[in-house]
Amino acid sequence: DIQMTQSPPSLSASLGDKVTITCQASQNINKYIAWYQQKPGKAPRQLIRYTSTLVSGTPSRFSGSGSGRDYSFSISNVESEDIASYYCLQYDNLPYTFGAGTKLELK
Amino acid sequence: EVQLVESGGGLVQPGRSLKLSCAASGFTFSNYGMHWIRQAPTKGLEWVASISPSGGSTYYRDSVKGRFTISRDNAKSTLYLQMDSLRSEDTATYYCATRAFAYWGQGTLVTVSS
Repeated sequence: DIQMTQSPPSLSASLGDKVTITCQASQNINKYIAWYQQKPGKAPRQLIRYTSTLVSGTPSRFSGSGSGRDYSFSISNVESEDIASYYCLQYDNLPYTFGAGTKLELK
Repeated sequence: EVQLVESGGGLVQPGRSLKLSCAASGFTFSNYGMHWIRQAPTKGLEWVASISPSGGSTYYRDSVKGRFTISRDNAKSTLYLQMDSLRSEDTATYYCATRAFAYWGQGTLVTVSS
């Protein structure tokens, strides 16, 4: 199974900050990584697919990059509506696996 | 607009069974693989099972193999998850998803407890 090591587990940011979350796969996942935002009591919402493709409706302050085993997700100019948990998902190989999540809080 | 609506969750005793449904609309259901993902209370996301567009291929995480069965009815645009021999560790909100995990339902809560 591919392990997705996501860090940090939590992040404290001020409005307007840039934050970055990383996911390292235990093997090459060929850019098949997606990033999700989840707010309490809600279903996850896909923000980015295939490493860096923004899903329709995703604000341009969100971005993703990476290759091989190492991937990152960034939010530039954090807004209050971005306060949520974020997860990565590798969908290159079964079993599909998620990172453990990152909780973004306001400083 | 793609819509996925799960149903069938509830409180069930350990060892009993439950069948979840996911009604799909807004896309050609028979063209896409479908997935179940779960999230235990206050925990992260965990892939559970997937099924091919025709239903001919199914895949499961190890912890549910032999206990859960994923199936679909393309005529009804509905996905199912038959859950047998339920355990307390199966307690979670169960989501269905499709199109490379781009679209998710709102989830249905399954609580396994005596």
